[in-house]
Amino acid sequence: DIQMTQSPSSLSASVGDTVTISCRSSQTISRSLNWYQQKPGKAPNLLISAAYSLRSGVPSRFGGGGSGTDFTLTIRSLQPEDFATYYCQQSDSVPYSFGQGTKLELK
Amino acid sequence: QVQLQESGPGLVKPSQTLSLTCTVSGDSDSDFKYYWTWIRQPAGKGLEWVGRVSRTGITDYNPSLRSRVTLSVDTSKSQFSLTLFSVTAADTAVYYCARETEEITSPSWGLYDYFYYMDVWGKGTTVTVSS
Repeated sequence: DIQMTQSPSSLSASVGDTVTISCRSSQTISRSLNWYQQKPGKAPNLLISAAYSLRSGVPSRFGGGGSGTDFTLTIRSLQPEDFATYYCQQSDSVPYSFGQGTKLELK
Repeated sequence: QVQLQESGPGLVKPSQTLSLTCTVSGDSDSDFKYYWTWIRQPAGKGLEWVGRVSRTGITDYNPSLRSRVTLSVDTSKSQFSLTLFSVTAADTAVYYCARETEEITSPSWGLYDYFYYMDVWGKGTTVTVSS
């Protein structure tokens, strides 16, 4: 099974900052990597699929990168609504697996 | 627009069976292939993929749950279901159903890339295992 490791587990930032979250897979997964945003009490929301494909309706300040085993989610010019928890997920092979999450908090 | 809604008991006794149903409303794009998926999340913790079922009933399970879980689909009712046997307190979680979409791209002639992502989620239902 593929293990996903996110870093950092938590991150403090201010409105207007740029932040980067990293995700590493235990084996190569090409570009089969998705990013989700989850707000308290809500279901996760798909932001990026296939490592860097921004989903419809997701602001362009969100960007994904990487391939193989190392991936990043970058959020530029943070907005108040961006403070949430972010998960990466590999969809290269079942069983699918998620990173442990990165909680983005307001400084 | 497709919407998913979970339903089922909020409280299950230890050693008993948990049954949840996800009802799908709205039409999915027939150009895509879909799987119907369950994910769970214990309070304050991360997401765990439980498994998926195709519209033809083909299933994949998380090995950590395979001996206790069954997924099924009823296309006539636009529903898919999760059954989890012999539950314990460790099964207490919010259970989400989701649609997994298969997307095929062709970077060059004759080559195809397959991508999978969960693009539609239910709101989740809380299940507590307690006597």
